[in-house]
Amino acid sequence: RKEVEQDPGPFNVPEGATVAFNCTYSNSASQSFFWYRQDCRKEPKLLMSVYSSGNEDGRFTAQLNRASQYISLLIRDSKLSDSATYLCVVNTGGGNKLTFGTGTQLKVEL
Amino acid sequence: DAGVIQSPRHEVTEMGQEVTLRCKLISGHNSLFWYRQTMMRGLELLIYFNNNVPIDDSGMPEDRFSAKMPNASFSTLKIQPSEPRDSAVYFCASSLGAGQGSPLHFGNGTRLTVT
Repeated sequence: RKEVEQDPGPFNVPEGATVAFNCTYSNSASQSFFWYRQDCRKEPKLLMSVYSSGNEDGRFTAQLNRASQYISLLIRDSKLSDSATYLCVVNTGGGNKLTFGTGTQLKVEL
Repeated sequence: DAGVIQSPRHEVTEMGQEVTLRCKLISGHNSLFWYRQTMMRGLELLIYFNNNVPIDDSGMPEDRFSAKMPNASFSTLKIQPSEPRDSAVYFCASSLGAGQGSPLHFGNGTRLTVT
């Protein structure tokens, strides 16, 4: 089983739709979780951290489910500019070893 | 504020040649990570350092790869000899603090092509 797994997509959604991605992780001791966004031929950029109680940043909501070992990202009112690959990141070892999922591709269409 | 700076942006070299990738951390950051990204395998962690000390190099593919941090703000990743299967985008990232919860800040990457 991979340490961090994501559905690669692509998710093709119309503008204004709500879309959700899940990411599962295998190490029950993991404590740090993030969502990154990567545009084509660019570096990954931090979208948001994921906190135990869940957190929201504008149209984006992140949730953590420790019992089932997954995190989720919800995007409301999706925009064309949200089209990108969304990467789930989990610390998988002691300290700050951060492992990336392979990413979920999102395409928002008119 | 200057972000993580990587050089070169692009490198094209012939099989068997030595390749050196460079990275300058964000000022004040003390953790440094080298990742490799390919279409087939996504982002793979090669090695990471805390306070100039290598902590985990289990992702380094083989002895042809080596990484150093000669000082607190600079790192190199060397491939000698290079092979076509090393072609990928190599990212350097830094973070503040060795503990958990510190997000990574990435450089623009070096796109390596080995022919």
